[in-house]
Amino acid sequence: EVQLVESGGGLVKPGGSLRLSCAASGFTFSSYSMNWVRQAPGKGLEWVSSISSSSSYIYYADSVKGRFTISRDNAKNSLYLQMNSLRAEDTAVYYCARSGTTRFFDYWGQGTLVTVSS
Amino acid sequence: DIQLTQSPSFLSASVGDRVTITCRASQGISSYLAWYQQKPGKAPKLLIYAASTLQSGVPSRFSGSGSGTEFTLTISSLQPEDFATYYCQQLNSYPRSFGQGTKVEIK
Repeated sequence: EVQLVESGGGLVKPGGSLRLSCAASGFTFSSYSMNWVRQAPGKGLEWVSSISSSSSYIYYADSVKGRFTISRDNAKNSLYLQMNSLRAEDTAVYYCARSGTTRFFDYWGQGTLVTVSS
Repeated sequence: DIQLTQSPSFLSASVGDRVTITCRASQGISSYLAWYQQKPGKAPKLLIYAASTLQSGVPSRFSGSGSGTEFTLTISSLQPEDFATYYCQQLNSYPRSFGQGTKVEIK
C-alpha cells in the first residue's frame, strides 16, 4: 500500500526556518517524481514545488522561489522541503504528493500544518 | 503561466442530481488535466486524469471530458458522499496550477 507521511510542521516566527519531511513507503520511491502542495486555511490548493526521480529537474512556484528548497534522499525513501525566510502568507497545510506514471498526483499524504506567526 | 478558472465556485444540489463543473484554461493544455475531490480536513483525492480517464477505484458516476482549453467534470447521480470541494489541475507545464475550487453542497 502506498503511504506518504509528512512531518516537521509547527509554529515558527516570521523570518524563521522549518524543514518538512515526507516518508514514503509501499512503492519504489526512486522511480517517481514528487511534489509539495499547500493549502492556506479556508483556501484552495497551491502547487509549491516538484522534483524529478533523480533530482535532475526541480521546479518552484514564484511565491517560494529563493526561499524554499526541495530535495530527496532515495536511499531513505524521503522527500524534504527546507523553508527559509518564512512569512505569514506561508501559513498552510503542506501536502506531499506522488506524480504517478501518468504525471498526475495519484497519492497524497495527510498533510502537516505550518503556522507562521509572532 | 496557465490560469485555470472553474465554474461555478459554489453549487447547491440534491442527491440524485446530475452535476457538471467546468474548468477553463487560459491557454491550451492538450489533455493534461486532472480532477481532485477534497473533503474537509482530508487530503485531495485523484478522480480523473488525462481529462477523461477514471482513476482506479473511483465510481463510474464520475466522468470527465474536454481537451485544449475547456474541460468538464460530471457526476451523473450525486450521492451523499460526493458533497465536497472539487479542483481541476493542469500538468501541461510549470508552474502546475489548480483551479480555485467548486464546493458542492446539499440543497
